[in-house]
Amino acid sequence: DQQVKQNSPSLSVQEGRISILNCDYTNSMFDYFLWYKKYPAEGPTFLISISSIKDKNEDGRFTVFLNKSAKHLSLHIVPSQPGDSAVYFCAATRPSGGATNKLIFGTGTLLAVQP
Amino acid sequence: SQTIHQWPATLVQPVGSPLSLECTVEGTSNPNLYWYRQAAGRGLQLLFYSVGIGQISSEVPQNLSASRPQDRQFILSSKKLLLSDSGFYLCAWSDYSNQPQHFGDGTRLSIL
Repeated sequence: DQQVKQNSPSLSVQEGRISILNCDYTNSMFDYFLWYKKYPAEGPTFLISISSIKDKNEDGRFTVFLNKSAKHLSLHIVPSQPGDSAVYFCAATRPSGGATNKLIFGTGTLLAVQP
Repeated sequence: SQTIHQWPATLVQPVGSPLSLECTVEGTSNPNLYWYRQAAGRGLQLLFYSVGIGQISSEVPQNLSASRPQDRQFILSSKKLLLSDSGFYLCAWSDYSNQPQHFGDGTRLSIL
């Protein structure tokens, strides 16, 4: 059962335009969401996160939007740069107050930013 | 600052051979440690996590095991590798707040 879904395996965007990466989840108990960026042959790098008490979080060119009723979040990159070309993973977790939180990852979206 | 190291970066092993992948974290104490696997075309799947020395929790039944002999060392092992063990293995750590998790550069494991 894929609890976190990224239905677009790839996305191509022109440099300077906006990139919008989408993610859907099925478990209404998730209350913390993260986006990671991954270059080939490297581990994922944390980009930005959002708690379920918010509907938007912004960090420079990156903004994450959360729509809890739709169980949907999106990552906006504006303006897109060629260096943003990578695989982007959405992840969700349910902080339990216990010793660890398990991240549930989507399958990733390959973003290609064309110069 | 904290850093995480994984080695080797790539590994080619025959079916039935043993496995030992090592991960170490520097610059922090008592981290939570994680092993993930990314199979081809799939997302990252959590295999094991550890909240302290000698404390290992397994997420999925499999041919692998994990150990944490020291506070900042996490080892992924197998006695006999299967073809299905091929994939990209990632180690990660987090602090007491649990998020975000920070990943190493991974090991590409190919089983022949």
